[in-house]
Amino acid sequence: EAGVTQFPSHSVIEKGQTVTLRCDPISGHDNLYWYRRVMGKEIKFLLHFVKESKQDESGMPNNRFLAERTGGTYSTLKVQPAELEDSGVYFCASSQGRNTIYFGEGSWLTVV
Amino acid sequence: AQSVAQPEDQVNVAEGNPLTVKCTYSVSGNPYLFWYVQYPNRGLQFLLKYITGDNLVKGSYGFEAEFNKSQTSFHLKKPSALVSDSALYFCAVRDIYGNNRLAFGKGNQVVVIP
Repeated sequence: EAGVTQFPSHSVIEKGQTVTLRCDPISGHDNLYWYRRVMGKEIKFLLHFVKESKQDESGMPNNRFLAERTGGTYSTLKVQPAELEDSGVYFCASSQGRNTIYFGEGSWLTVV
Repeated sequence: AQSVAQPEDQVNVAEGNPLTVKCTYSVSGNPYLFWYVQYPNRGLQFLLKYITGDNLVKGSYGFEAEFNKSQTSFHLKKPSALVSDSALYFCAVRDIYGNNRLAFGKGNQVVVIP
């Protein structure tokens, strides 16, 4: 069974550009989460989907970040326009209900 | 609010010696505790969890963790460390009846010396 998959694995973009990260959760998992770790700091929660609905988006840093989960399957996280402080690794995770949360390999974003 | 403290930045241990990575937590209700490991340039890999029941939980790769309610701790242990255990270890907690959001510690770099 495939785990949580994320694309791209690495991305280098210039300040002001747009990047879209994609996440495919484990098949059958209705809960999908985005977390990020910037500059060696703590892993921080961004938001949580239950199926296609945003259950909790209180961790989103500002309106430059937009997450969607159309149809309750895969999710995208768009950063527009990207800033230098957005550099870091963006983790997607999924779970079936309140069971164990499994993470993907991460999308490593560098904004130059 | 829930939070996790991992007091040490780096843990150095000789191969074959016992390994302990410390974690203390704070939640308003009952804790749901996790350990994840991140190998170099990889994602977060689930190691083990505690929900209820036996305070000693066993996980992947010979790791175990002991839940101590009175000390609000969930230290990760391995009796005999391997060089391949060198990685970044994260403790995480959530309120068992609250939202699904995990609060992570800052992580501990474990270096196993051959």
